[in-house]
Amino acid sequence: GENVEQHPSTLSVQEGDSAVIKCTYSDSASNYFPWYKQELGKRPQLIIDIRSNVGEKKDQRIAVTLNKTAKHFSLHITETQPEDSAVYFCAAGNSGGYQKVTFGTGTKLQVIP
Amino acid sequence: GAGVSQTPSNKVTEKGKYVELRCDPISGHTALYWYRQSLGQGPEFLIYFQGTGAADDSGLPNDRFFAVRPEGSVSTLKIQRTERGDSAVYLCASSLAGGSYEQYFGPGTRLTVT
Repeated sequence: GENVEQHPSTLSVQEGDSAVIKCTYSDSASNYFPWYKQELGKRPQLIIDIRSNVGEKKDQRIAVTLNKTAKHFSLHITETQPEDSAVYFCAAGNSGGYQKVTFGTGTKLQVIP
Repeated sequence: GAGVSQTPSNKVTEKGKYVELRCDPISGHTALYWYRQSLGQGPEFLIYFQGTGAADDSGLPNDRFFAVRPEGSVSTLKIQRTERGDSAVYLCASSLAGGSYEQYFGPGTRLTVT
C-alpha cells in the first residue's frame, strides 16, 4: 500500500518568514495530494490540494509543488502569521473510483510573533 | 448546512466492553470515511463507504472492528472486546462522492479504554 513520509515533524519560524513542509510517497499510482490543517483540539480541514496533471498550485500565501518523477510534494507558506500555527498533514491518494488517502505523520508549525 | 457530527464526543470504557461510535455526514454526501488518530499521528484510514456498501475496509485492524451504514447516511463504528490500544480519536469524514472530492471531517470521538 501507499506510504507517506513527512518532514520535519516540528517547525518553528518567525512571523513573516516562510515555512516549507515536505512529503514523499511510494505508490506511483497516486494522483491526488491534499494538505490538511488541524488546529489544537479541532478537526482537520483541507487547505489546498493538487492533482498530478499540474506541478504547482497557489492560493494566496499557500502554494504546493509536486514532482511526480521523484514522488515528492511540498507545502509552502509565505509571510507566516501566528494563526498559521497548527499541525499540517500531507496525504496521497488516487481519484479512480473512490478517494482513499494515506496521511503523513504531521508537522507541528509554530509561528513566533 | 450542518457539518459532519459525531457522537459521543468522549467515551470512556473498560477493557473488554463493546462500544458504538456514531457519525452523521453532511446531507447528500454519498462517501463516508472512518479514521483513527493517535496522539501526534496523522489520521489512519479504517473504512470507506460509498452509499450503503463498504467499498474498502482494508484499514480495519482486526475482526473486533466493524462498521455499518444501513441507509447510506448515518454510520456506526462498532468495536467489540475493547483493548487499551484502541484508545484514540476516531474521526469520520464525508465527501460529495467518490473520487477527488474534499473530505469534511467531524469533530471526532475520543475513546479511552481503561
